[in-house]
Order: sequence, then C-alpha cells, then structure tokens
Amino acid sequence: QKEVEQDPGPLSVPEGAIVSLNCTYSNSAFQYFMWYRQYSRKGPELLMYTYSSGNKEDGRFTAQVDKSSKYISLFIRDSQPSDSATYLCAMTYSGGGADGLTFGKGAHVIIPP
Amino acid sequence: EPEVTQTPSHQVTQMGQEVILRCVPISNHLYFYWYRQILGQKVEFLVSFYNNEISEKSEIFDDQFSVERPDGSNFTLKIRSTKLEDSAMYFCASTKDRFNTEAFFGQGTRLTVV
Repeated sequence: QKEVEQDPGPLSVPEGAIVSLNCTYSNSAFQYFMWYRQYSRKGPELLMYTYSSGNKEDGRFTAQVDKSSKYISLFIRDSQPSDSATYLCAMTYSGGGADGLTFGKGAHVIIPP
Repeated sequence: EPEVTQTPSHQVTQMGQEVILRCVPISNHLYFYWYRQILGQKVEFLVSFYNNEISEKSEIFDDQFSVERPDGSNFTLKIRSTKLEDSAMYFCASTKDRFNTEAFFGQGTRLTVV
C-alpha cells in the first residue's frame, strides 16, 4: 500500500525562524525522497532529493531521512516571506520501471513580512 | 533554463467530450509522466512513458485515458469521454533517467469539465 502522510498545516512562522516540515510513510520499498515547493496554481518545483538516511544540506535547506522510522524532514533556515508556499514531500521506488512519485498532501507554509 | 511547457493553461470542456492535453518535455529527457491534482488533494501519478510505450500506470489511468508521443517533441494525454470528476490540474513531468529523482514539472493545465 503506497501511503505518505503529511500534516497540511497551515504553518505560520515568523520571518527569520526555522521552518520544520515532515512526512511519514508506510512502505519500506520507497528508496528516493524528494521535497518540492508549489506556489498557488503552479507546477511543483524540485528543492532537494536524497536516497540515504541522514542529512543533506543545500543552502538554507536541509533534508533529513530516517529510513528506520520511515520519517523524512525538511528544514528551512532564515525563512523569508518568499518561502511562503506549499511544500510537498514525494518518494519513489528503485524498481526497474519508471515509477511515478508518491506525494504527500503538501504543507502550506506562511511567513508574514 | 530548460523547462517543461504545457498547453493550454486552462481548458473548459463539456462532459462526454474528448480533450487532449499537450506537453513539450525537456529535450534531452527520456522519461515522461502525467500527474493530476484535484483541488485540495494530493498530486497523483497517472502514467509514465519511455521509448514510445507506457512504462507504468496507476489505477486511475483507465481505458478513457491514453498517451502518445506523436512527434519528437510533444507528449499528449487524451481523455476520451470526460466526466465531471476529471476536473483537476494535470501536470506533465520529465526526467533524464528512470529513478525519477529530478523530475521537472510543467505549469499544468487546469481542466474544467462542465
């Protein structure tokens, strides 16, 4: 059963604070984990991907994966009003076919100016 | 920067009509995908396409849907007889490889069935 759970929020965070987002999943066959940002009525935009447990950093973004707990996180440091968006976690298998991504519902993040 | 382009941005159609949604994937990408997002719900995988054939499809992708790469650049999704519940944003995506870790999405086509 493919299932990814993500708290949809909304999550309001003061400017400059850390945004903390997470997803849980139930299928241990998921091997690749992505975070996307989506603005209203636009397509998802890839922020980061990772495939191993541990942390991966890219600028103000840190992605964390804990495969033993089936839990992934995204942290956004020094948050800006322009970071206000919906953040989607996504994951996929490492199978032989071009498996589609399984998305969480998305978390709506608001950073007031 | 290369991007996936989708046309039209918005399509209104009557129930029972056929629609074709169009996508131009990134030129050196080999795998192509369609997803849909019903308002307020998750982005859902419909189908993947590689080497001129369907690679994977979800249970949503039933006989009313079909995909085609009619030429070297376009990738289309056809819905044969639209239903009200087909109203959604439809996103096309493409990747270089099958691992799908760096999928680039288009801006979407908003389909409204009336």
